Amino acid sequence: KQEVTQIPAALSVPEGENLVLNCSFTDSAIYNLQWFRQDPGKGLTSLLLIQSSQREQTSGRLNASLDKSSGRSTLYIAASQPGDSATYLCAVRPSTDKLIFGTGTRLQVFP
Amino acid sequence: EAGVAQSPRYKIIEKRQSVAFWCNPISGHATLYWYQQILGQGPKLLIQFQNNGVVDDSQLPKDRFSAERLKGVDSTLKIQPAKLEDSAVYLCASSLGGGPHNEQFFGPGTRLTVL
Repeated sequence: KQEVTQIPAALSVPEGENLVLNCSFTDSAIYNLQWFRQDPGKGLTSLLLIQSSQREQTSGRLNASLDKSSGRSTLYIAASQPGDSATYLCAVRPSTDKLIFGTGTRLQVFP
Repeated sequence: EAGVAQSPRYKIIEKRQSVAFWCNPISGHATLYWYQQILGQGPKLLIQFQNNGVVDDSQLPKDRFSAERLKGVDSTLKIQPAKLEDSAVYLCASSLGGGPHNEQFFGPGTRLTVL
């Protein structure tokens, strides 16, 4: 059974810091991995999607890497801003289209 | 392009009452998903529809939960009777089709509190 774990559960940092959020999964047989952002009272917004054949994806200040063999992914946020405060969720997709989510990392960036 | 719409946004009920949630997917999206997100946890898939047929309902508590997608567009999720542990955010998502290459787009969710 696929299980997804995210560390840390919560993180509070001053503005400007570079951050690394971690995601690990138990079964390396995945189709892709996706990082989402969730703001309070809102749905999930897709940030980055990495196919199983890829090593990383970049969008602006965000960079996500994938090491499928070791069951790990990291989300790197450069020069963090207060607007980055949210919960970040990673999800893996096995051969079916079901998304299996981690428990999330709650990030707070203070000025 | 309009996103996934859900209503109501919030609902408070007492245990043993019934409740229904509504979802309108993005126009043209054949696949619709209902997720349950308990506080402090990641979303968990309850049911997946492909047009008006059920693809996966393996994690749906069928003794109290039901869902339908008549005409392959809008969907409703019902809980009857509700239990305290049903307190959660219910998220609806849609995608163009089934298969892992299709991105899922999420609605804002319905926050249910069962007292």
